[in-house]
Amino acid sequence: DIQMTQSPSTLSASVGDTVTITCRASQRIYDWLAWYQQKPGKAPKLLIYHGSSLESGVPSRFSGSMSGTDFTLTISSLQPDDFATYHCQQYSDGWTFGQGTKVEIK
Amino acid sequence: EVQLLGSGGGLARPGGSLRLSCEGSGFNFNTYAMTWVRQAPGKGLEWVSLISASGGVAYYADSVKGRFTISRDNSKNTLFLQMDRLRVEDTAVYYCAKRRGSPPEPFDFWGQGTLVTVSS
Repeated sequence: DIQMTQSPSTLSASVGDTVTITCRASQRIYDWLAWYQQKPGKAPKLLIYHGSSLESGVPSRFSGSMSGTDFTLTISSLQPDDFATYHCQQYSDGWTFGQGTKVEIK
Repeated sequence: EVQLLGSGGGLARPGGSLRLSCEGSGFNFNTYAMTWVRQAPGKGLEWVSLISASGGVAYYADSVKGRFTISRDNSKNTLFLQMDRLRVEDTAVYYCAKRRGSPPEPFDFWGQGTLVTVSS
């Protein structure tokens, strides 16, 4: 089974900051990786798919990149609406999520 | 507008059963694979099960294999999850979601979630 290691588990930041969240796959998953945003009591929302493709309607301050088995979600100029939990997911072989990263207000 | 409306959650005893439903609207339900993902209180997301568009193929996480059964009724645009032999560790919010298209693709729309509590 493919394992996804996401870091950090918590990240404190201020409005306007640029933040990065990382996911590492235990084996090659090509670019079959998605990022989701989840707010308390709500369902996850798809942000990025195929490693770096922006889902329709998602602000361009969100971006994804990849290098080998390492994947990064970058949020540029953090906005108040961005404080949430972010999850990565591989869908190359089965479906596995990372542990999640909570982005909180510093 | 795509909508997924989950229902059927509640309190069950260990060893008991529950059946979750998820009604889809705003898209051609019978052309998309559907899935269940759960989230235990304060924890991350865990994929549970996925069923093909036709209902002919199903996949399960090892943690639920042999206890849960996914199915769908395309005539009613409804997805089901029959949960038997429930365990305390099955306590979670259960989300239904739609896969975008033919694999490999992510889950692009999610229902609001339904809470399952397993406790004696």
